[in-house]
Amino acid sequence: AQSVTQLDSHVSVSEGTPVLLRCNYSSSYSPSLFWYVQHPNKGLQLLLKYTSAATLVKGINGFEAEFKKSETSFHLTKPSAHMSDAAEYFCVVSDQKGNLFGNEKLTFGTGTRLTIIP
Amino acid sequence: ETGVTQTPRHLVMGMTNKKSLKCEQHLGHNAMYWYKQSAKKPLELMFVYSLEERVENNSVPSRFSPECPNSSHLFLHLHTLQPEDSALYLCASSQTDRVPGGTQYFGPGTRLTVL
Repeated sequence: AQSVTQLDSHVSVSEGTPVLLRCNYSSSYSPSLFWYVQHPNKGLQLLLKYTSAATLVKGINGFEAEFKKSETSFHLTKPSAHMSDAAEYFCVVSDQKGNLFGNEKLTFGTGTRLTIIP
Repeated sequence: ETGVTQTPRHLVMGMTNKKSLKCEQHLGHNAMYWYKQSAKKPLELMFVYSLEERVENNSVPSRFSPECPNSSHLFLHLHTLQPEDSALYLCASSQTDRVPGGTQYFGPGTRLTVL
C-alpha cells in the first residue's frame, strides 16, 4: 500500500523569497515520486520526478526536490518565488509495482495551494 | 500542453441528460486514464485502459461508462448523473513500457456541473 501526505494545505510566501512545500510518503516498494502543478482552470503539469537515480531532482521553472529515504520525504523547494508560481501543487507517489500490464498506479496528495504575496 | 486534449472544457447537464466527454492524446502512448477531481479531495482514479483494454475500474458507478476505441482516444459516457458528480474530470496518458517511473501526462480537464 502507498500513501502521500502533504503537510500544508495552503502556503503563502512573498515574491522573491524561498518556497518550501512539504510532502511525506509511504510505500511498500521502491517508490517513484512526482510533483505536479495545476494552475487555475488548467490540467496537471509535471514539475519533476524521482525514479531512484539522483536524490536531488531538478525540475522546470526553477523547482527542485530532494528524496530523503530516512525521512520518507520529498519536499519541493524554489529559491525565489515568482507571481506565476501561484497554483496548486500535488505530490504523487507510485510504488513501481504496477499491475499485470505494467502501468503504474499513482496516489495523489490532497494538494497545497501556493499564494505569492506581491 | 497540447499533448492531451479534452472536449468540452465545460459542460452543464441535467440529471436526465446523456452526454460524453472526449479525450485525445497525441503522444503515442498506449495507456489512458480518467480521473475525477472534486473540491478538497485527492484525485480519484476512475478507469485505466492499457493497450485499449480496460485494466482497472475503481468501483465507479455504472452511470459512468468509458470507451476506448483506439490508443489515442478515450471517452466517458455520462447518463442520469447526480449533483455530487459535479467535478473536474481529467484525462491522462502514459507509456506502459515497464520502465519504472513512467509519467502520466494530463489534459486540461472538463469542468462538469450537474443541475
